Amino acid sequence: DTGVSQDPRHKITKRGQNVTFRCDPISEHNRLYWYRQTLGQGPEFLTYFQNEAQLEKSRLLSDRFSAERPKGSFSTLEIQRTEQGDSAMYLCASSLGTVGQPQHFGDGTRLSIL
Amino acid sequence: RKEVEQDPGPFNVPEGATVAFNCTYSNSASQSFFWYRQDCRKEPKLLMSVYSSGNEDGRFTAQLNRASQYISLLIRDSKLSDSATYLCVVIHLTGGGNKLTFGTGTQLKVEL
Repeated sequence: DTGVSQDPRHKITKRGQNVTFRCDPISEHNRLYWYRQTLGQGPEFLTYFQNEAQLEKSRLLSDRFSAERPKGSFSTLEIQRTEQGDSAMYLCASSLGTVGQPQHFGDGTRLSIL
Repeated sequence: RKEVEQDPGPFNVPEGATVAFNCTYSNSASQSFFWYRQDCRKEPKLLMSVYSSGNEDGRFTAQLNRASQYISLLIRDSKLSDSATYLCVVIHLTGGGNKLTFGTGTQLKVEL
């Protein structure tokens, strides 16, 4: 399978713990995006990388959130000191670098904060 | 006002019906438009791109009206398997690159 893959699929943790998610994009895609989706809402943009450079961050991305893409391939999203409001589906997508290219999504990581 | 707005539905239609969804966007500089389909607890999947000239893919037709800033999706001869949430997606350029904004989605339920 050469699509976008995310790990883990599900994460349950206690409030206050740190969590880290991983995303492996489609290999030829140089753009990588992170989104958060809650029930009944469309995905909300969090941040975006072109190769290893993080080019844009949403104001939704508080100081507790950090994302990296150190070698321009896979990316990690870390949430520190999780809160119940962080419970959501975290989606990763990738695309080619040309303007207006559609994004292809991974299965997502469902985070539940107890 | 939200950047991308959709009627959340649900739209309940009988099998074989024709159903249409609209989506409006607020940024006149938006450049690219797509419809995605999302099944319950699954990731969004690209359904089709949307062009001013209109485009058709089997039973699905998408249309863009730049003057009125809306896009539409028409589904003909709807099937039970079409039941899903349809997300309108708008892309515009920012200083850092493309910004992709999703609508909240329109839920479709096709019934026997």
